[in-house]
Amino acid sequence: AQSVTQLDSHVSVSEGTPVLLRCNYSSSYSPSLFWYVQHPNKGLQLLLKYTSAATLVKGINGFEAEFKKSETSFHLTKPSAHMSDAAEYFCVVGEMNTGFQKLVFGTGTRLLVSP
Amino acid sequence: DTAVSQTPKYLVTQMGNDKSIKCEQNLGHDTMYWYKQDSKKFLKIMFSYNNKELIINETVPNRFSPKSPDKAHLNLHINSLELGDSAVYFCASSLRDRQNTIYFGEGSWLTVV
Repeated sequence: AQSVTQLDSHVSVSEGTPVLLRCNYSSSYSPSLFWYVQHPNKGLQLLLKYTSAATLVKGINGFEAEFKKSETSFHLTKPSAHMSDAAEYFCVVGEMNTGFQKLVFGTGTRLLVSP
Repeated sequence: DTAVSQTPKYLVTQMGNDKSIKCEQNLGHDTMYWYKQDSKKFLKIMFSYNNKELIINETVPNRFSPKSPDKAHLNLHINSLELGDSAVYFCASSLRDRQNTIYFGEGSWLTVV
């Protein structure tokens, strides 16, 4: 079974500084990997996804992630944090089940951005 | 022009009651899902339907019964609600294929008192 581990439950940054949210995955084959964001009391929004094309994936709102097979990692980065980036971030792996995909979520990382 | 819409968004009800959450998608997708987010923000799949047929059932109690009248709708009915059912329930949809993005609704906040 596929799984993801988000290494930090909370990350605190100052506005304007870089963001790094770490994620490691476990998969028996080439995985589909995603980052979703959830703002307080809101639904889930897809930031970006990796599906075996380019290893550096660019997403919305200036976020990007790099797929590193040798390290089984898919860390999320942003050069400069904005106050509006404060939210819960989920690293997700797509697992195939009888020909259909289901998403397996990590436990989430709360990003706190201070002025 | 909401892509995946759920109703109600908030629901407070007493233990033992029966309640339903409705979901509709206008994206032309053939696969729909219910996910549950617990109080610790952990998200887990409950069910998945493809073209009205159940394809994933993640050992959810029998009190939970999904129903898909057509491929654009997937409703969740919960019987004999328990305190532990309090959670956020997310509906989602996609096209069948591992490359395709799964789109989520805004969530339904269920509180059982």
